[in-house]
Amino acid sequence: GAVVSQHPSRVICKSGTSVKIECRSLDFQATTMFWYRQFPKKSLMLMATSNEGSKATYEQGVEKDKFLINHASLTLSTLTVTSAHPEDSSFYICSASRVGTPSGNTIYFGEGSWLTVV
Amino acid sequence: RKEVEQDPGPFNVPEGATVAFNCTYSNSASQSFFWYRQDCRKEPKLLMSVYSSGNEDGRFTAQLNRASQYISLLIRDSKLSDSATYLCVAIIYNQGGKLIFGQGTELSVKP
Repeated sequence: GAVVSQHPSRVICKSGTSVKIECRSLDFQATTMFWYRQFPKKSLMLMATSNEGSKATYEQGVEKDKFLINHASLTLSTLTVTSAHPEDSSFYICSASRVGTPSGNTIYFGEGSWLTVV
Repeated sequence: RKEVEQDPGPFNVPEGATVAFNCTYSNSASQSFFWYRQDCRKEPKLLMSVYSSGNEDGRFTAQLNRASQYISLLIRDSKLSDSATYLCVAIIYNQGGKLIFGQGTELSVKP
């Protein structure tokens, strides 16, 4: 079963509205989660590092006021796309690192969220 | 220069062919390397880890050359079900498990 759950899997919103995407680690605590974005036929690009209890660290070129990240608990990080525009339409995906697995650290991905802004 | 660079695709091969994917990385802080597979409109899934000693799993062989900062993936006897995008990934654990993805190489295996 899923170890990292992401919701919603698909969302369509009107231009100018805000959309929240949730990323949950289901049976482990994740002090750090990552948010990625992927355009069609392109690679996943890291947007930001979400740190539990502190501010997220954004990659260069990512607007922190547009992509709000809140990591309020050890199992939940949220990404809010504010005032969404059609160019924000993309595949957003989170990941979390689980430490102490037989292979050391294991990275788990959420199922991803398809955002379409109309 | 991208931190992780892969062969541009797509690769179109017949069933049974051997396919090689190449990848280079530039960040010497990269500690571990993996190949992920991503099917269309799905999340990436771990295919295999990459070690300096080489890693083989059935028809798949991965190799890491730290001196050259080069990673490879070989698929032998390719199947239709191997059609996907293959992503070369570097992980920086001292940054909490930050993943750096290559741009991916699309593979299409034809009958």
